[in-house]
Amino acid sequence: KAGVTQTPRYLIKTRGQQVTLSCSPISGHRSVSWYQQTPGQGLQFLFEYFSETQRNKGNFPGRFSGRQFSNSRSEMNVSTLELGDSALYLCASSQDRHLGGANVLTFGAGSRLTVL
Amino acid sequence: QQPVQSPQAVILREGEDAVINCSSSKALYSVHWYRQKHGEAPVFLMILLKGGEQKGHEKISASFNEKKQQSSLYLTASQLSYSGTYFCGTGYSGGGADGLTFGKGTHLIIQP
Repeated sequence: KAGVTQTPRYLIKTRGQQVTLSCSPISGHRSVSWYQQTPGQGLQFLFEYFSETQRNKGNFPGRFSGRQFSNSRSEMNVSTLELGDSALYLCASSQDRHLGGANVLTFGAGSRLTVL
Repeated sequence: QQPVQSPQAVILREGEDAVINCSSSKALYSVHWYRQKHGEAPVFLMILLKGGEQKGHEKISASFNEKKQQSSLYLTASQLSYSGTYFCGTGYSGGGADGLTFGKGTHLIIQP
């Protein structure tokens, strides 16, 4: 079955612009999580959506937002881009929503954002 | 709170063994291990739930010490294909809508 699909794979923006990234989870998966990956910090949790509701949010400023649609597809948006937002943004989907992080995540290949 | 992984990097010869550690300052409910090769998505290796169990698949196994809030990943007789960055992801007990918190990763290089 198809994996997690993220678009676009690469994009270049300038400071002050905004960007929208898209994630299509594995069919049947209702949970979608977003992570920011940078060389110095590793994988940083942004937020998780389950059945169109944001269930958890990481320690990122309000410029980072997301949403999930009824078909479980998710988008994340970053407004007023800063140089430090340059990173690989990974989306991961999981089938069920267990407590305590017991869901196995399947990651997409990521969207690499460069902010100039 | 981000779990601490050690070592940060390790270089081995093919056939040697490696141990990667993951420690948390908070009580753990679950520990995940993922491997990421350069330019690719992280791939799930295994999950351990509280209870001190050990899991394994061929030459890769892991342990979870709930009391010490630690997990270790063991790679036995390493192969070239084991090269990559290994991340532990931790889930916390106490209920709530917790996402996984990942460590900064351990870079593993296997040389022929």
